[in-house]
Amino acid sequence: AQSVAQPEDQVNVAEGNPLTVKCTYSVSGNPYLFWYVQYPNRGLQFLLKYITGDNLVKGSYGFEAEFNKSQTSFHLKKPSALVSDSALYFCAVRDNQLIWGAGTKLIIKP
Amino acid sequence: DTEVTQTPKHLVMGMTNKKSLKCEQHMGHRAMYWYKQKAKKPPELMFVYSYEKLSINESVPSRFSPECPNSSLLNLHLHALQPEDSALYLCASSQGERITDTQYFGPGTRLTVL
Repeated sequence: AQSVAQPEDQVNVAEGNPLTVKCTYSVSGNPYLFWYVQYPNRGLQFLLKYITGDNLVKGSYGFEAEFNKSQTSFHLKKPSALVSDSALYFCAVRDNQLIWGAGTKLIIKP
Repeated sequence: DTEVTQTPKHLVMGMTNKKSLKCEQHMGHRAMYWYKQKAKKPPELMFVYSYEKLSINESVPSRFSPECPNSSLLNLHLHALQPEDSALYLCASSQGERITDTQYFGPGTRLTVL
C-alpha cells in the first residue's frame, strides 16, 4: 500500500536560515507527490508537485522540493526562511486518492 | 485563478438542527471533494464528485449528505450531527480525477456541534 511519512512533528528554524521539511514515501509504482501548506485557521494551499522529469521542483512562495528516488524522499526546502513561513506542512502521495503524511509544524523564529 | 470559495466560514449547530455547507469554484474543474479535518491532523476524504456524479463515498455516516447541483457547486447537507463531528470541513476541486491533477482547496467551514 502507498504511504507517506513525515518524520518530524515540528521543525524550528531561525529567520534567514535555510529550512528543510522531510518527507519519505512508499509506493508500488511511479510516485506522484505533493506538498501543501496550511496557515492557522485556513484551508490547504498547494505548493508544488512532482509528476515526472526534473528532480528539483520549484513551487510557490520560494519553496522547492527535491525528489530522490533511491532514498524515496521528497523533502521540501527553502534557502532563506521567513517568519511568515510558520505553518503546518503536509506531504501527500496520490494513489486512487491523496494519501497524506501526518504533517510537520514549521516554526520560524525572528 | 485557483480559487475555491466556501460558506459559511463558521457554523454552530445543535444536534437536532439541519444546515448546509456550500462550495463553489469557477475554474471549470470537473471533480469536487469534501474533506473533514480535525485540528493538526491531515484531512480525511469524505466524498468525491466527478462530472456531477458521486464517485466516492468513504463510508461516511448518512447524517452527511452531499449534493452537486451543477459543475460549479457542491453542497454538504448536515442533519442530526454529533459533537464529534465538530471539525474543519474543506472543499476541494481538480480539473479531473487523473492521478496527476492538483486539488485546490477552499478556506474551509469551521463547524461546531453542540
